[in-house]
Amino acid sequence: DIQMTQSPSSLSASVGDRVTIICRSSQSISSYLNWYQHKPGKAPKLLIYGASSLQSGVPSRFSGSGSGTDFTLTISSLQPEDFATYYCQQSYNTPYTFGQGTKLDIK
Amino acid sequence: QVQLQESGPGLVKPSETLSLTCTVSGGSISGYSWSWIRQPPGKGLEWIGYIYYSGSTMSNPSLKSRVTISVDTSNNQFSLKVSSVTAADTAVYYCARISSRGSYYFFDPWGQGTLVTVSS
Repeated sequence: DIQMTQSPSSLSASVGDRVTIICRSSQSISSYLNWYQHKPGKAPKLLIYGASSLQSGVPSRFSGSGSGTDFTLTISSLQPEDFATYYCQQSYNTPYTFGQGTKLDIK
Repeated sequence: QVQLQESGPGLVKPSETLSLTCTVSGGSISGYSWSWIRQPPGKGLEWIGYIYYSGSTMSNPSLKSRVTISVDTSNNQFSLKVSSVTAADTAVYYCARISSRGSYYFFDPWGQGTLVTVSS
């Protein structure tokens, strides 16, 4: 199985901050990397697919980059509604695997 | 807009079979693959498996022998069964559609999830 490792596991930030979350895979996955946002009690929401493609309807302050084994999710200017847990997920092969999550909370 | 809703018992006894159904509304189940994903308390997300609308399936080897996924196209539903459950199967269970853009596959949308507790 491909292992996905996110860092940091948790992050405190303020509204307006620029935030970057890192995701690393245990082997090359090309650009087959997706990012999700998850708020408690709600359905997880797709933000980025194919490492850098913004899902329709997702604000442009979210961006993704990377290929191979190293990926980043950047939020350019944090908004109050962005405080949530973020997961990366590889779709290179099955079993599909997720990172352990990065919890973003208010400083 | 496609929406998914999980349903099923919230409490299952050890050694019994966990059964959940995902109802798809706002769109057809045909033409897509549909997946189950779970999250044990305090842990990360684990992909369980998927089913194509025609009935072909693929499951995570970590669970494969205990998992059955089926589809009911007439009712726009798909289902999950996990046999011989233990406390380690306690989790929030999510259903999701596997969507694609070109060669990129991703889970979108998801249901809100349902907590299943394994306890006597």
